[in-house]
Amino acid sequence: GIQVEQSPPDLILQEGANSTLRCNFSDSVNNLQWFHQNPWGQLINLFYIPSGTKQNGRLSATTVATERYSLLYISSSQTTDSGVYFCALRAGGSEKLVFGKGTKLTVNP
Amino acid sequence: NAGVTQTPKFQVLKTGQSMTLQCAQDMNHNSMYWYRQDPGMGLRLIYYSASEGTTDKGEVPNGYNVSRLNKREFSLRLESAAPSQTSVYFCASSGGRDVTQYFGPGTRLLVL
Repeated sequence: GIQVEQSPPDLILQEGANSTLRCNFSDSVNNLQWFHQNPWGQLINLFYIPSGTKQNGRLSATTVATERYSLLYISSSQTTDSGVYFCALRAGGSEKLVFGKGTKLTVNP
Repeated sequence: NAGVTQTPKFQVLKTGQSMTLQCAQDMNHNSMYWYRQDPGMGLRLIYYSASEGTTDKGEVPNGYNVSRLNKREFSLRLESAAPSQTSVYFCASSGGRDVTQYFGPGTRLLVL
């Protein structure tokens, strides 16, 4: 099955710093999403981005499908950005969304 | 518009007991999913339902059954709970042009 690898597994930042999270995948995809799981466990979808670049405030994401990776950029990080960031993707005609193991981000004040 | 709701929020079971986790969505989505999340892991798909009346196995279906009761509701049943099923369970839905999955708040299950 499709493999999803996220890096780094853990990241600690000072408030105001920028960061880049990476998601590598092993097969061509037609559905890639980024999620944020906050410290209370709630999962919130950030981007649906099978290809190209999208921006939403301080967050942006880029997927280069031909090279099988996606990047999530967080600029001017805030303590509320803390949590775990997951990428998840679907290959081919499958309904199944496969998740990476996540990047745990801690933003210190 | 409540989105995806799950009940209960928390449950403690003894080994061998049964229970049903309930999930409902009010977004008129066709597809619904059940995941489990274990410490240090991403989410793993247990079962999904692409439309009312259909269900399919995901990555980790053993020990679980599901029912797509109608378009809104998708339940997950543990017939004989085992300690290995201690986890956080998430329900999600997606549908139409929007292929994004929307998640419920989760159910924390502890099996003793």
